[in-house]
Amino acid sequence: ELKVEQNPLFLSMQEGKNYTIYCNYSTTSDRLYWYRQDPGKSLESLFVLLSNGAVKQEGRLMASLDTKARLSTLHITAAVHDLSATYFCAVDIVEGGSEKLVFGKGMKLTVNP
Amino acid sequence: EADIYQTPRYLVIGTGKKITLECSQTMGHDKMYWYQQDPGMELHLIHYSYGVNSTEKGDLSSESTVSRIRTEHFPLTLESARPSHTSQYLCASSLTVGNIQYFGAGTRLSVL
Repeated sequence: ELKVEQNPLFLSMQEGKNYTIYCNYSTTSDRLYWYRQDPGKSLESLFVLLSNGAVKQEGRLMASLDTKARLSTLHITAAVHDLSATYFCAVDIVEGGSEKLVFGKGMKLTVNP
Repeated sequence: EADIYQTPRYLVIGTGKKITLECSQTMGHDKMYWYQQDPGMELHLIHYSYGVNSTEKGDLSSESTVSRIRTEHFPLTLESARPSHTSQYLCASSLTVGNIQYFGAGTRLSVL
């Protein structure tokens, strides 16, 4: 059974600081997604990582994928309050001909002024 | 921006009632999904469909049922709601296997 683990699950940081969050998964996959969820809202797609070594950047967020280590990182540069949200990683697997996304528990980020 | 719509956004009902949560998308996506998410927790796949007349159960056991009579419509039905069904239900769609899943705004269900 695929397990997707995010670390940390809660993070409180100051504006202007940098931080990296991690997403580990337990089985082979070449596709990993990062989503953002604001309180009471739905999920918004941030990044799609489709191969080993993939790196994507959008604003203050940069995501990377190492399929050999089964690890994705989401790096936050010079955090601002607007980045406060819950961040989910999700791994795409195909089992018995069926494609599924398996989500981590989410990392709740609070950026303090 | 994704065009996937869920209604109602909020629903409070009594135990034993039958309810249908609606999900529609205008993107022509073949693949549609229903997830259940408790507050502050991860998403669990409860149903999915790869096209018209195709439905499958997901990883999380659910007493709900789904149908896919039209490409754009994927409703979820609870025949007899119970307090344990209280949760947020998120609908998503994608174009093909491996593509981004686009999510609707969700339905927050409370069963009293």
